[in-house]
Amino acid sequence: RKEVEQDPGPFNVPEGATVAFNCTYSNSASQSFFWYRQDCRKEPKLLMSVYSSGNEDGRFTAQLNRASQYISLLIRDSKLSDSATYLCVVNRATDSWGKLQFGAGTQVVVTP
Amino acid sequence: EAQVTQNPRYLITVTGKKLTVTCSQNMNHEYMSWYRQDPGLGLRQIYYSMNVEVTDKGDVPEGYKVSRKEKRNFPLILESPSPNQTSLYFCASSLIGDRAKNIQYFGAGTRLSVL
Repeated sequence: RKEVEQDPGPFNVPEGATVAFNCTYSNSASQSFFWYRQDCRKEPKLLMSVYSSGNEDGRFTAQLNRASQYISLLIRDSKLSDSATYLCVVNRATDSWGKLQFGAGTQVVVTP
Repeated sequence: EAQVTQNPRYLITVTGKKLTVTCSQNMNHEYMSWYRQDPGLGLRQIYYSMNVEVTDKGDVPEGYKVSRKEKRNFPLILESPSPNQTSLYFCASSLIGDRAKNIQYFGAGTRLSVL
């Protein structure tokens, strides 16, 4: 089983609609969580960190469910520019601070 | 401008010919890391460095070497490249501190083909 798993998609979303997807992680001791965005084989860029209480940044909402070991990302009022691959990133447990585990990504395609 | 710079951006080489991909950051970050990205597998960590002269293996270190002699530079060395090292490579850097703020800044990537 992969340490971080994501539905590869694609999620085809009409412009203006809402889309949500999850990422599951296997290490219950994982410390911190992030969503990165990657456009067409360009470099990943941080979208948002995911906090225990859930957090929102404009149209984007991230949630963490430690009991079920998943994080989620919800995009409201989707824009064409939201089309990208969204990478789930988990900072592993206390044994090694530097090791980040990336999911393979969820592709979102926003259509006019 | 704060950035992570990788060179070259594209490289085609032949099996066994040693190569180095350079990575430099101007943000005074302690942490630097190399990843490779392959279709369906996501980014996999090759090596990382917590500071000068401190390096550690990631998930896929075989066939790679790194060095961290200066804080700003973290070159990736392939002593004897093989076709299975054909991939898209990313260098990243970040500050060290609160785990929740471990924001990584990535270079633009190096697309390597080993024939």
